[in-house]
Amino acid sequence: GAVVSQHPSRVICKSGTSVKIECRSLDFQATTMFWYRQFPKQSLMLMATSNEGSKATYEQGVEKDKFLINHASLTLSTLTVTSAHPEDSSFYICSATPGTLGTEAFFGQGTRLTVV
Amino acid sequence: RKEVEQDPGPFNVPEGATVAFNCTYSNSASQSFFWYRQDCRKEPKLLMSVYSSGNEDGRFTAQLNRASQYISLLIRDSKLSDSATYLCVVNEETGNEKLTFGTGTRLTIIP
Repeated sequence: GAVVSQHPSRVICKSGTSVKIECRSLDFQATTMFWYRQFPKQSLMLMATSNEGSKATYEQGVEKDKFLINHASLTLSTLTVTSAHPEDSSFYICSATPGTLGTEAFFGQGTRLTVV
Repeated sequence: RKEVEQDPGPFNVPEGATVAFNCTYSNSASQSFFWYRQDCRKEPKLLMSVYSSGNEDGRFTAQLNRASQYISLLIRDSKLSDSATYLCVVNEETGNEKLTFGTGTRLTIIP
């Protein structure tokens, strides 16, 4: 199957700092990638749709100025959590769908963010 | 009302038993349906797609009932390695890759 790589897998940062998470499609091009957040014992909640070469589309209730998304190439999308606070601590996961392989979504390994 | 609803469980069943999960979705225009499996602190991985005619993959059988807007997953002869959270996932629009996830059903297989 296709491979989506996410980095870092785990990060601990101080409150007020910014954290960048990378999501790469290793063996296919992805014009669209998705960013999810998952709190403990809850399901994945879509945060935003990352569109290559254009602005990201944010879900209702997600602050676009806090969660900056950049999708500058067909294989890389980045999510930057700006001015992180403890309530931003969560599991962040990206996904992408290679069109030639149907509609199966492939997920990155996830990033566990802890803000102290 | 949630767009995709699942019984969160937990389901604790003995090894070798058969277990079934159901999932309902609210958007009648939904196009594609999937079951994903998520292990603790890991990313979700596709278990199987769900087709209108129903489909089977080894010990796993998935069915879709469009009239009632529900999806089911049946696991036969359950193994210890089946312990995980099972996510019902719906794609609501053709050509749009956006997925909606259910809350997941936690399954634990007991030796």
